[in-house]
Amino acid sequence: NAGVTQTPKFRVLKTGQSMTLLCAQDMNHEYMYWYRQDPGMGLRLIHYSVGEGTTAKGEVPDGYNVSRLKKQNFLLGLESAAPSQTSVYFCASRGTGTGNYNEQFFGPGTRLTVL
Amino acid sequence: EDKVVQSPLSLVVHEGDTVTLNCSYEVTNFRSLLWYKQEKKAPTFLFMLTSSGIEKKSGRLSSILDKKELFSILNITATQTGDSAIYLCAANANYGGATNKLIFGTGTLLAVQP
Repeated sequence: NAGVTQTPKFRVLKTGQSMTLLCAQDMNHEYMYWYRQDPGMGLRLIHYSVGEGTTAKGEVPDGYNVSRLKKQNFLLGLESAAPSQTSVYFCASRGTGTGNYNEQFFGPGTRLTVL
Repeated sequence: EDKVVQSPLSLVVHEGDTVTLNCSYEVTNFRSLLWYKQEKKAPTFLFMLTSSGIEKKSGRLSSILDKKELFSILNITATQTGDSAIYLCAANANYGGATNKLIFGTGTLLAVQP
């Protein structure tokens, strides 16, 4: 049981390049989230998904797109990277049911630098 | 606008000290408050609080929620160097149906010196 995994761990892009970050979870969770973390800003929600085939905008969605074609995967795309997108990106997932059902499980993060 | 504010932003203590971290929130459709610990990588879950006045405890860590005054505290007693981390507070809000979102504070950076 790997939990939440993210690839790649690190990436350096030039302005205008595109890339896709992959998040995978093996806990059969319905909900998945993409956050970015910047110094002094905390974790900010980019996009999220409440189930396979569905996505929704979070707090800071501009410049990003997402897809949830399979329940276990949530992809975050940058079509034309900008220096302002330099950040650490975290994926998270959560299940449903009783107990600590609002607990989100986080992946290890992807450190992205845009030059 | 929903917001979560944590204080202090950073804190330096010595081993054995007791610390109190604060979290206040202004969130519509509030459901619960969560505390996470973030060391080098991913945040890891500590507590979820849904009811006022009921302390949750795990070892040297404890937390309590006040839904009337809209705040929570996280206490760490007899601190150790391994407690050094960023502590994140997040308010869980329901936006209709099954849509719950976490609104995070900026975190408190705790450094415990030997």
